[in-house]
Amino acid sequence: DTEVTQTPKHLVMGMTNKKSLKCEQHMGHRAMYWYKQKAKKPPELMFVYSYEKLSINESVPSRFSPECPNSSLLNLHLHALQPEDSALYLCASSQDNGGGTGASYNSPLHFGNGTRLTVT
Amino acid sequence: QQQVKQSPQSLIVQKGGISIINCAYENTAFDYFPWYQQFPGKGPALLIAIRPDVSEKKEGRFTISFNKSAKQFSLHIMDSQPGDSATYFCAAYSGAGSYQLTFGKGTKLSVIP
Repeated sequence: DTEVTQTPKHLVMGMTNKKSLKCEQHMGHRAMYWYKQKAKKPPELMFVYSYEKLSINESVPSRFSPECPNSSLLNLHLHALQPEDSALYLCASSQDNGGGTGASYNSPLHFGNGTRLTVT
Repeated sequence: QQQVKQSPQSLIVQKGGISIINCAYENTAFDYFPWYQQFPGKGPALLIAIRPDVSEKKEGRFTISFNKSAKQFSLHIMDSQPGDSATYFCAAYSGAGSYQLTFGKGTKLSVIP
């Protein structure tokens, strides 16, 4: 089993709902990531947190709102999503030496098993 | 220049055979090349990774071959098993202050008995 835990595993929500995805890791990693993966496609980076601060937002629509309450937890708050937002949402973590180099040969990305989101 | 081109898109191999997946890149700043294995309904899992100062890395039945001058690298799965059936992604990472891992488009491997 993965060391990155994501909940829930499945989520169905209407376009007017507000929901949150949760991610937890206890590997002492200081970089945490949200990825979106559509069927038969590679993961696409959405957000990166380094030492609990948002480092990267890949021009993600504001209906996705990330939050990093502490070094072990990462949330993704969802509001007013569209059907095209249906996808597998993956959380990942890696070591981060604080120099902004993120994942590397010595600290690869560890992915969770994702939340399968369906927007109706 | 940020792309990683992966081929083939799908691959069918008989049990016991060798599976070969190829990737190519243009960005010479890439300095870390991991391969991820993803089963249906699961997240990608790191399979094996290599740096460009090494031409080959082997872990069990999985081998990465790296050709720095050609900017190409490949994954070889020896003695392929039905349990290896999954989607494989090559990726590349530039260690120069970037968190962005550039993925190939993936190869769906099916190992038939």
